[in-house]
Amino acid sequence: DAKTTQPPSMDCAEGRAANLPCNHSTISGNEYVYWYRQIHSQGPQYIIHGLKNNETNEMASLIITEDRKSSTLILPHATLRDTAVYYCIVKRSWGVDSNYQLIWGAGTKLIIKP
Amino acid sequence: EAGVAQSPRYKIIEKRQSVAFWCNPISGHATLYWYQQILGQGPKLLIQFQNNGVVDDSQLPKDRFSAERLKGVDSTLKIQPAKLEDSAVYLCASRRSDGKMNTEAFFGQGTRLTVV
Repeated sequence: DAKTTQPPSMDCAEGRAANLPCNHSTISGNEYVYWYRQIHSQGPQYIIHGLKNNETNEMASLIITEDRKSSTLILPHATLRDTAVYYCIVKRSWGVDSNYQLIWGAGTKLIIKP
Repeated sequence: EAGVAQSPRYKIIEKRQSVAFWCNPISGHATLYWYQQILGQGPKLLIQFQNNGVVDDSQLPKDRFSAERLKGVDSTLKIQPAKLEDSAVYLCASRRSDGKMNTEAFFGQGTRLTVV
């Protein structure tokens, strides 16, 4: 299974873009990259996912390098409520849709400062 | 849409006692996961159900942990007997699995277990 590497912690000023890097150099061709975040004392929350194209939704943008060995999650205008642990995850799947697991690392603790 | 419900929210027990956690997934979600999250770490998958069948329980310590999802809806996770190292947050997640790939998993708030 592909493993991910993230910095343990990062700071970002409120209102600025937060760029969270992730290395997944052993990812295979059919493995997706997912991002979740976990605010203190809550369950993880889905943010975004992608395979090889860049993706954007109402929460964030995901930039995946052409060789797919790394990606960056971008929160365009960080607020204090974005303070959380952000997990970059490679989805392991096999066969039918029901066989789908997320392999979690330790994540990046993002602190948004006023 | 109601989220994933878990209870209790907190539980403190003595080592060697038993404990059970309950999870009610989002209506219509066929896939259900139980995770263990130790402080400072990411979630670790314990067991995955598809309806009432087990898809993967390879990381479940079966000598003390058990889980069931008898009617393919609610699920319970039990620890018997508990050890100090079982202190963690136990997360339940569910996912719609209707043939659409890459649907996201939704998590409950978790049950924080402290074993003393």
